[in-house]
Amino acid sequence: DGGITQSPKYLFRKEGQNVTLSCEQNLNHDAMYWYRQDPGQGLRLIYYSQIVNDFQKGDIAEGYSVSREKKESFPLTVTSAQKNPTAFYLCASSFSGTNPYGYTFGSGTRLTVV
Amino acid sequence: AQSVTQLDSQVPVFEEAPVELRCNYSSSVSVYLFWYVQYPNQGLQLLLKYLSGSTLVESINGFEAEFNKSQTSFHLRKPSVHISDTAEYFCAVSAEQGAQKLVFGQGTRLTINP
Repeated sequence: DGGITQSPKYLFRKEGQNVTLSCEQNLNHDAMYWYRQDPGQGLRLIYYSQIVNDFQKGDIAEGYSVSREKKESFPLTVTSAQKNPTAFYLCASSFSGTNPYGYTFGSGTRLTVV
Repeated sequence: AQSVTQLDSQVPVFEEAPVELRCNYSSSVSVYLFWYVQYPNQGLQLLLKYLSGSTLVESINGFEAEFNKSQTSFHLRKPSVHISDTAEYFCAVSAEQGAQKLVFGQGTRLTINP
């Protein structure tokens, strides 16, 4: 079955470390997105990519980096420059262009700084 | 550009009572409208969507939403809620035409009390 897979489900990071969150989809979607979710703050867009080898900053890109080398994959690196990385991270994908289907979301990665 | 306002951040109701989660949007062009549901520690799942045609759309688990163009609203309703409906609900909008990202509301946390 087609879907979008995020791994790991839980991740612990020490202060000063970079960590990479994985997001893979087999839906043949062109576009992929990363969101951060904090209690009471809804979804905030970190980065998005509408085509391979191209991506754009969202509303809160500082302290994060991404790559889009393959259509199926859009990993997110949380760098040591991100001062408050503890959050729930959601990856999503969609068709690009006119899109009546909405987004498909992964099950999320909960990152905790220890 | 589009925007979405979910008027209630939290809605507590008793089991078997009716519920309405309110969503208003702003857009200068025709839009697609979506409701997503997020259960604890999971990703978002599409609950229902309005694309065109009948203004009343239904989900398989008893929720319905009505598109009201004059009031720019897309409120979600259920005549009798169950404990299992406890979740966070997100309203989202995208423009019909072009490569437009979904714009999400801040979410409404629905709590069902026995």
